[in-house]
Amino acid sequence: NFMLTQPHSVSESPGKTVTISCTRSSGSIASNYVQWYQQRPGSCPTTVIYEDHQRPSGVPDRFSGSIDSSSNSASLTISGLKTEDEADYYCQSYDSSNRWVFGGGTKLTVL
Amino acid sequence: EGQLVESGGGLVQPGGSLRLSCAASGFTFSSHWMTWIRQAPGKGLEWVANIKQDGTEKYYVDSVEGRFTISRDNAKKSLYLQMNSLRAEDTAVYYCTRGPVSGTGKGYWGQGTLVSVSS
Repeated sequence: NFMLTQPHSVSESPGKTVTISCTRSSGSIASNYVQWYQQRPGSCPTTVIYEDHQRPSGVPDRFSGSIDSSSNSASLTISGLKTEDEADYYCQSYDSSNRWVFGGGTKLTVL
Repeated sequence: EGQLVESGGGLVQPGGSLRLSCAASGFTFSSHWMTWIRQAPGKGLEWVANIKQDGTEKYYVDSVEGRFTISRDNAKKSLYLQMNSLRAEDTAVYYCTRGPVSGTGKGYWGQGTLVSVSS
């Protein structure tokens, strides 16, 4: 099976843009959709990006997702950072048998 | 609006058993794969198991294979996780989830139920 690797933490100032990467260890990143979840302290995760780059209704357009086959990675970009964006972010994809695979999570600090 | 409510967590001794339940409402439960995710204290998310709409396909993370059993009752709109031979490393908050669906991206997570395995 494959692994998804994320940076442990990132930090940026309010109003700036941050990008969180998610690198797939084997197989093509384009083989299976990538989702991104936001988890604030004490809360359950919520979906901010699905199917690589789609945004559920209610998620601000400051959140965007993409995949890059050359680096075999997915990225979550958050622009116009707000303090409320401070949270843990997880990427997730599927293997060939519909098993979910999560990245280790990235702690975003907005300071 | 869809909702998932878990129950059945608690403190259990190593080697013991627990059965988690998840009650679904507000969406067509029988039309969706359902999934259990867990999160150990201070750790990341870990997929545990999922089950096809009609229950004919079930998949498990290697660490629980043979010990946990996922099941569902579409008439009762309920998902279950039978956990046997529990270990300390199974200690976690267990979430019942319906993943985001194509077209809307709508997904649902329960509030989670804490399973603590300790003597």
